[in-house]
Amino acid sequence: GAGVSQSPRYKVAKRGQDVALRCDPISGHVSLFWYQQALGQGPEFLTYFQNEAQLDKSGLPSDRFFAERPEGSVSTLKIQRTQQEDSAVYLCASSLVSGLAESIQYFGAGTRLSVL
Amino acid sequence: EDKVVQSPLSLVVHEGDTVTLNCSYEVTNFRSLLWYKQEKKAPTFLFMLTSSGIEKKSGRLSSILDKKELFSILNITATQTGDSAVYLCAVEARNTDKLIFGTGTRLQVFP
Repeated sequence: GAGVSQSPRYKVAKRGQDVALRCDPISGHVSLFWYQQALGQGPEFLTYFQNEAQLDKSGLPSDRFFAERPEGSVSTLKIQRTQQEDSAVYLCASSLVSGLAESIQYFGAGTRLSVL
Repeated sequence: EDKVVQSPLSLVVHEGDTVTLNCSYEVTNFRSLLWYKQEKKAPTFLFMLTSSGIEKKSGRLSSILDKKELFSILNITATQTGDSAVYLCAVEARNTDKLIFGTGTRLQVFP
């Protein structure tokens, strides 16, 4: 596609519910990143894929967070048993190739998650 | 610990003013510094800087990097209301592909 596409744009969940957030990267982009952005803060890294391999998940805040990219294209970020502190905007980014100086990350519009 | 600090946190100006946004960083194995503009949608890419002293320019926006003093500035001349947004600075390190972001500078341009 023309850009990074994320769905849904908005998600309201009751505390304790599971949610799944989808990211469709730019066609042909090898690397895919998930970031969490709290209100008034800059995005914070969650996890990173190169094709289907999850190379870094050091930013996932707890074992309730799980991400996958089974075919090296679309990715899903799943949050189990949501808590109020999970409320944030979840941004997805993709880049053509990792490890190169000129590899720019392009972002989607994000999913705004509100946990009540 | 790697960190990126932006200043000011917030800026209010009138159309036509010139603004300078600051970004300082402490990152091990620096690879590049990026500027993004974030309105109520996807952060959009503005500049990537990898070399000191080379100004990058796009219309009324320009940016430069100082790798010795570990900072970058983003200049916007003749500001317009459409420049109102949060401007994010991020740094990428060589040993990881993730971006480390600052808190952002919120710019409001009034007519």
